[in-house]
Amino acid sequence: NAGVTQTPKFRVLKTGQSMTLLCAQDMNHEYMYWYRQDPGMGLRLIHYSVGEGTTAKGEVPDGYNVSRLKKQNFLLGLESAAPSQTSVYFCASSPPGSSGNTIYFGEGSWLTVV
Amino acid sequence: GENVEQHPSTLSVQEGDSAVIKCTYSDSASNYFPWYKQELGKRPQLIIDIRSNVGEKKDQRIAVTLNKTAKHFSLHITETQPEDSAVYFCAAGITNYGQNFVFGPGTRLSVLP
Repeated sequence: NAGVTQTPKFRVLKTGQSMTLLCAQDMNHEYMYWYRQDPGMGLRLIHYSVGEGTTAKGEVPDGYNVSRLKKQNFLLGLESAAPSQTSVYFCASSPPGSSGNTIYFGEGSWLTVV
Repeated sequence: GENVEQHPSTLSVQEGDSAVIKCTYSDSASNYFPWYKQELGKRPQLIIDIRSNVGEKKDQRIAVTLNKTAKHFSLHITETQPEDSAVYFCAAGITNYGQNFVFGPGTRLSVLP
């Protein structure tokens, strides 16, 4: 049971380049999330998904797109990277409703846009 | 929407002393309040949580208290140890809607030997 796995862990991009962050979970969780973490700002929700085939915007969605084609995977895309997107990105998952709201995080992906 | 404030932003204590971190929230509908610990370069991990029908919860050296009337909750760590050094995040949200969690900005706790 690996939990939540993110790839890649580190990446340097040039402004304007595109990339996709991959997230996989093996806990059969319905909910999945992408957060970004910046110094002094905590964790901010970018996009989330409440089930396969569904996605929704979070607090800071601009410049990002997501897809949830399979229940276990949640992809975060940057179409045209900007220096403001330099951050640490965390994928997370959680079971829905009364079964608990604990959010399980991946190990993080450090992205630098130059 | 929900707004979570957290104080202090940094906290240094001597080993063996207690540490207290306080959070306030704005949405009276919130009823789930978790605390996460994040060690340097690692993922955030849940350490304790409390639901709105409980005023206090304890787990060994850590405890969380909740005052729904005042809309604030606190993390208490007793007999601090060097391994308690980390960034601690509080969050507030509505049970059954994990996507509505809002995290506080974090508190960096340093336990000095």
